[in-house]
Amino acid sequence: QSALTQPPSVSGSPGQSVTISCTGTSSDVGSYNRVSWYQQPPGTAPKLMIYDVSNRPSGVPDRFSGSKSGNTASLTISGLQAEDEADYYCSSYTSSSTLFGGGTKLTVL
Amino acid sequence: QVQLVESGGGLVKPGGSLRLSCVASGFTFSDYYMSWIRQAPGKGLEWVSYISSSGSTIYYADSVKGRFTISRDNAKNSLYLQMNSLRAEDTAVYYCARSRGCSGGRCYYFDYWGQGTLVTVSS
Repeated sequence: QSALTQPPSVSGSPGQSVTISCTGTSSDVGSYNRVSWYQQPPGTAPKLMIYDVSNRPSGVPDRFSGSKSGNTASLTISGLQAEDEADYYCSSYTSSSTLFGGGTKLTVL
Repeated sequence: QVQLVESGGGLVKPGGSLRLSCVASGFTFSDYYMSWIRQAPGKGLEWVSYISSSGSTIYYADSVKGRFTISRDNAKNSLYLQMNSLRAEDTAVYYCARSRGCSGGRCYYFDYWGQGTLVTVSS
């Protein structure tokens, strides 16, 4: 199975909103409400930000939200802050594995 | 608080072996499935293997099947990855991660990760 498709980079100014897409297929993103998102600042471990498409773990700011439509999931970060600058990875449960996206580098201008 | 601390990485020649360890604290280790996930330099994430809470159920990615062995010692709150017949393409940072909703070789998500340990396979 191929990795999920994410844009290599996105950017936004402080206070703005950005959306990162994650495109899969009808065998993964489209079939299961089991999409998760991870934040990875440079040189650090990934941190779970969203699970099951739109649920936030305790401690994750509500500026982070997730959604899904068809075979594409999205992570939206509103009220962008400098500390949000990081790589973001999506992941999806599939019929036989757990797939990750290639990652998106978020730059806060 | 939940902590996962990996160790055991290093430089190894192609064909060599290495054993990674992950010590867990801050939660009841024996209640949770655990995974190893790797990240090649400058690349994305790749799930490698998971083990059930009791150790009775294990799955591997096709890329490591037959070469890597995952195990755990619940009395020591520890997770292991024995890596044999290492290849250059196994070069990566290896993370241990607490895993949720695992069955049939896949997991819903990974809610806590360690800081990782770097494995470099090179002659």
